[in-house]
Amino acid sequence: DVKVTQSSRYLVKRTGEKVFLECVQDMDHENMFWYRQDPGLGLRLIYFSYDVKMKEKGDIPEGYSVSREKKERFSLILESASTNQTSMYLCASRRLPWVEQFFGPGTRLTVL
Amino acid sequence: SQQGEEDPQALSIQEGENATMNCSYKTSINNLQWYRQNSGRGLVHLILIRSNEREKHSGRLRVTLDTSKKSSSLLITASRAADTASYFCATDSLTQGGSEKLVFGKGTKLTVNP
Repeated sequence: DVKVTQSSRYLVKRTGEKVFLECVQDMDHENMFWYRQDPGLGLRLIYFSYDVKMKEKGDIPEGYSVSREKKERFSLILESASTNQTSMYLCASRRLPWVEQFFGPGTRLTVL
Repeated sequence: SQQGEEDPQALSIQEGENATMNCSYKTSINNLQWYRQNSGRGLVHLILIRSNEREKHSGRLRVTLDTSKKSSSLLITASRAADTASYFCATDSLTQGGSEKLVFGKGTKLTVNP
């Protein structure tokens, strides 16, 4: 079974802090994604990566950056956390385009 | 931009009844996917149906796709309390820029009462 893990289930940070969210997949998937999920807004794509060291902006990249130094790991970085970044963050991976995505359990981030 | 829109937003049924959720979309698609999310957890993929397929089954799940009406439905038969979750459709298509994109709807919240 594909396993996608995220570094924390719950995280509380203060405004202005630098925040790292880590995602690791164990099935040698090429593509990885970061979404945020908010009530009434559904899932919105922040960034994605088709391969190591590649990254593409999604629909809402402002305030975020990403890093993919190894194939299995995709990190989301909040350079200076703000209260409007309080949300559920979901990581996903897949082998190729046009197939299903496998999601991690999510990280609920609260920025105070 | 939102592609798939689920209907209804919320559905409450009794155990043993069937649950039907609908998804409508606006542009041509390569495939349509259904996912399930238990409260506070990640999404789990249920079924992928390609644009040239009309119906697909997986256990108690049945998905239909009507590309002429740009709509899909997810039927859960003989529902159980454990089916309580949110269900999302996601459309996989080419953007105007020629890249592939998976876009999720806002989901249907299903409650199955014991």
